[in-house]
Amino acid sequence: KAGVTQTPRYLIKTRGQQVTLSCSPISGHRSVSWYQQTPGQGLQFLFEYFSETQRNKGNFPGRFSGRQFSNSRSEMNVSTLELGDSALYLCASSPTDGRSTDTQYFGPGTRLTVL
Amino acid sequence: GNSVTQMEGPVTLSEEAFLTINCTYTATGYPSLFWYVQYPGEGLQLLLKATKADDKGSNKGFEATYRKETTSFHLEKGSVQVSDSAVYFCALNQAGTALIFGKGTTLSVSS
Repeated sequence: KAGVTQTPRYLIKTRGQQVTLSCSPISGHRSVSWYQQTPGQGLQFLFEYFSETQRNKGNFPGRFSGRQFSNSRSEMNVSTLELGDSALYLCASSPTDGRSTDTQYFGPGTRLTVL
Repeated sequence: GNSVTQMEGPVTLSEEAFLTINCTYTATGYPSLFWYVQYPGEGLQLLLKATKADDKGSNKGFEATYRKETTSFHLEKGSVQVSDSAVYFCALNQAGTALIFGKGTTLSVSS
């Protein structure tokens, strides 16, 4: 099976712009989660989608939003970009609905740089 | 709330040395525990996992045992290679919540 894919791999934006990142989960996986990775804060959870519904949300401002489509593909959007939004954004998929034993499989990430 | 604490790095070893990276956790109930590895410029790869107390996860020579009495999940490898140089993350997962990660430990192995 193909792994989790994320596009684009690299993005450069300026402050105030908005950006959309895309994630395609492993075939058959219905849950998609997004994480932000920065050197200072480490890996922080953004949100999780299952069957097109946001099931869980981390502690990020409303500028960060996401959605999931009927084919389980997911997008996240960041509006009014700030310098502090520069990070590696990781998407992960898992096969079921939030069981603790689920393994999350990560994509290669999208590196966002905000100038 | 739930949390994961990892030993701070970097950890610098010579090839064939023994590796231990400590990980302890705080959680209510019975979480599943994971070790992920991140190579430069890449996403996270699952290294191993354990889903209940006394389970041992193993993969590629790495091992970790879920110790509920000490709330620990230490990562070990008997003989490291240069190719093991990476950042290692300990994480826990409970039903209905997101993965919670430790801050990561950088391992550097020299020949």
